[in-house]
Amino acid sequence: NAGVTQTPKFRILKIGQSMTLQCTQDMNHNYMYWYRQDPGMGLKLIYYSVGAGITDKGEVPNGYNVSRSTTEDFPLRLELAAPSQTSVYFCASSYSRGRQGNYGYTFGSGTRLTVV
Amino acid sequence: QKEVEQNSGPLSVPEGAIASLNCTYSDRGSQSFFWYRQYSGKSPELIMFIYSNGDKEDGRFTAQLNKASQYVSLLIRDSQPSDSATYLCAVIVSGGYQKVTFGTGTKLQVIP
Repeated sequence: NAGVTQTPKFRILKIGQSMTLQCTQDMNHNYMYWYRQDPGMGLKLIYYSVGAGITDKGEVPNGYNVSRSTTEDFPLRLELAAPSQTSVYFCASSYSRGRQGNYGYTFGSGTRLTVV
Repeated sequence: QKEVEQNSGPLSVPEGAIASLNCTYSDRGSQSFFWYRQYSGKSPELIMFIYSNGDKEDGRFTAQLNKASQYVSLLIRDSQPSDSATYLCAVIVSGGYQKVTFGTGTKLQVIP
């Protein structure tokens, strides 16, 4: 049972390049999320998904895109990278059954992205 | 006012003491409350969640929730140097898909 697997762990991008951050979970969780974490700023939600084929924007979606074709996979696409996207990115998943049915997130190990 | 507020610290406690970490939230409709621990350079890991007013204990950790005063706290008994980390409070606010908001975290240092 691997939990939430993120790749790559580190990446340096040049301004204007694009890339996809991969995220896979094997816990059959219905909810998946992408967060970015900047120093002193806490975790900010980029996009989330409540199930295969369903995605929605979080607090800071600009410059990113997602898809969820399967329960297991939730890749994050960065288009036209900018220095403001330098951050640590975390994928997370959870199982939720409604108002009090969220039992907390399982996080991936993170991707440290630098845009130069 | 931030939705979830935590003192950034650092909070320094001697080994063996009780560490008390606090979190306040602004949405009275908040339903679920979580504490995560994050070691430097690592991802957050879930310690506890609490839904109802009162205390919930798990080993050396106790979560306390007071919805009337809108705060949730985490007590760590017999603090160990390995407890040194940043502790994130997370709240599921009311409405929608279960929007989870994280505080910015409190850094705890346990001094041997």
